[in-house]
This record gives sequence, structure tokens and C-alpha cells, in this order.
Amino acid sequence: DSGVTQTPKHLITATGQRVTLRCSPRSGDLSVYWYQQSLDQGLQFLIQYYNGEERAKGNILERFSAQQFPDLHSELNLSSLELGDSALYFCASSVQAGGTEAFFGQGTRLTVV
Amino acid sequence: KNEVEQSPQNLTAQEGEFITINCSYSVGISALHWLQQHPGGGIVSLFMLSSGKKKHGRLIATINIQEKHSSLHITASHPRDSAVYICAVRRGSNYQLIWGAGTKLIIKP
Repeated sequence: DSGVTQTPKHLITATGQRVTLRCSPRSGDLSVYWYQQSLDQGLQFLIQYYNGEERAKGNILERFSAQQFPDLHSELNLSSLELGDSALYFCASSVQAGGTEAFFGQGTRLTVV
Repeated sequence: KNEVEQSPQNLTAQEGEFITINCSYSVGISALHWLQQHPGGGIVSLFMLSSGKKKHGRLIATINIQEKHSSLHITASHPRDSAVYICAVRRGSNYQLIWGAGTKLIIKP
């Protein structure tokens, strides 16, 4: 158990819909990273938050957005979903903003039908 | 003992040098990732390996499943290669990743 909690574990939704994925970091971790992983691809970094503020942005589509709340949990919002958005989405947390070991959640498997 | 060990922890080299970063793991894996993390915190996935060797530009990654070892090589290193390089292994199909501690690479001009 990494201490990082993601909900839901599985999500099936239709094209055009909007979903929210939730991540609770390990206790004491201030930084949250979101990643997308398709079946045949490596990790795609989406976005990072540190102590409530956006710290770095990667390959995140405009249809996607995220935020980190005062209690440090984070949500990733995916809208106008397309079939190609089907993937594993997972978050990681770390104590600091970068260069330190990060711990991954088990991911949310999103299937868009 | 950590399940994923990287060496060295820190590496400083001159521009143009050939760089090797090593990753050893003690568990069965389904894939190994090499990632690059810049000081700004953003993480870029460099390679995902399950066997053999992959090359992208000046970067080469190899994995030996029997020896549970992987290496990341950088040819003709450049100051912009300065970053933390992280090895992460995936076990089974649950996508739980085990990260190495990272190797902080500094390339001096």
C-alpha cells in the first residue's frame, strides 16, 4: 500500500461525458502528479500541483483540468470525453516538488464507450 | 533494501561525456520505465521497456530481465540533459509502480 488513494478504481462512461477522478496523497505529501497511461505507451505526465498551486504542466489536453484543494487532495476533470481518452489515470505524491521519491496510487481505469 | 536501486545517486560530468545510469530491481516485473524529471518538477517518460533495447535520439535504454538490471545511456551529453533520471518498475497488471530514488545528473558546459 503506497498510501496514495485514488477513486474510483474503474469508470465506464460514454463519449461526450465528463468525469472527475480523485486522488488523496500520502499523509504529509504536498505534491501531487497526474499521469495518463495508455495500454501500449509509457507514462504521460499531465500536470503537477504543489501545496495547492499548479507547479508543472505536461501533455494535458485543454479538455482536461485539475486542481488541488486545501486538504491537499486533488481532482482531475476530464470533459467531452473521446474514445482515445480510455486509459489508466494515476496520481503520485511526494513530499517535495521534485527530485524526490514519489509514490503512485493504483490508478483509475477509464473506459470511454 | 529497496526493491529498485539506482546508481549513482549523483553524477556530474562534462559536456560531451558518455553517461550511464544503472537500475537494479529485486522483484518480478512486467515493465520498466525510465523517466526524466526536470527541476521544475515536470516528469517526462523516456522509455518503457519489457525486453531488449530502445533508442531515442541520444538516449539508449537496455534491460536484462534475467539479471534484473537496466541501464540508461546518454551519448554526447549536453547541459540541457541535467535532470533527475528515475527508474520505475511495474509489477503485474495493476500498474502499481515502484520507483527508484533517482539519479541527479548535472552536465557542466
